[in-house]
Amino acid sequence: GAGVSQSPSNKVTEKGKDVELRCDPISGHTALYWYRQSLGQGLEFLIYFQGNSAPDKSGLPSDRFSAERTGGSVSTLTIQRTQQEDSAVYLCASSQQSRAREQYFGPGTRLTVT
Amino acid sequence: ILNVEQSPQSLHVQEGDSTNFTCSFPSSNFYALHWYRWETAKSPEALFVMTLNGDEKKKGRISATLNTKEGYSYLYIKGSQPEDSATYLCAGQGSNYQLIWGAGTKLIIKP
Repeated sequence: GAGVSQSPSNKVTEKGKDVELRCDPISGHTALYWYRQSLGQGLEFLIYFQGNSAPDKSGLPSDRFSAERTGGSVSTLTIQRTQQEDSAVYLCASSQQSRAREQYFGPGTRLTVT
Repeated sequence: ILNVEQSPQSLHVQEGDSTNFTCSFPSSNFYALHWYRWETAKSPEALFVMTLNGDEKKKGRISATLNTKEGYSYLYIKGSQPEDSATYLCAGQGSNYQLIWGAGTKLIIKP
């Protein structure tokens, strides 16, 4: 079956512009996670969705970051007024339940802010 | 779960040898421990999710154990093969569902 998909795969944007990153989880997966990996760093948790609600937004690095999920499926991560430190690979993962179940990762979006 | 640590940071192993590495985590507020393999240019792939103290799981030549009382998990690879070369990540999961990731152990198998 289809796995987690993300788009775009690569995004180059100018500092100060807004960007939207999209994640299509595996059908039927209720939990959806956003992570990012900055150069030389490990995985950093950003936000978690259970259905359409986000009970844990603690990882969002600033108020320039927001995310939504509609219909219990597609999720969009929006970064406003991008900064160079936002450059990273943004990964999305989904799972059948929110805890103690393996997460399935998408291929990621590589964001470069120039 | 505040901090997950992995050791060693990197490891070179001769093909055919067995190896293991460690993930340590605070034992308070623990719910689950995840292991993932992350190959270069690919996405992380789940290996195991464990919840109970004493859990042991196996997938082919790879196995893992969990000690929640002392806060550690071991990942074992038996008879290493070149395709085992990857970064192995562990993550702790607490009651708030968030995964806290270790920095990973980079495994390089020498032919």
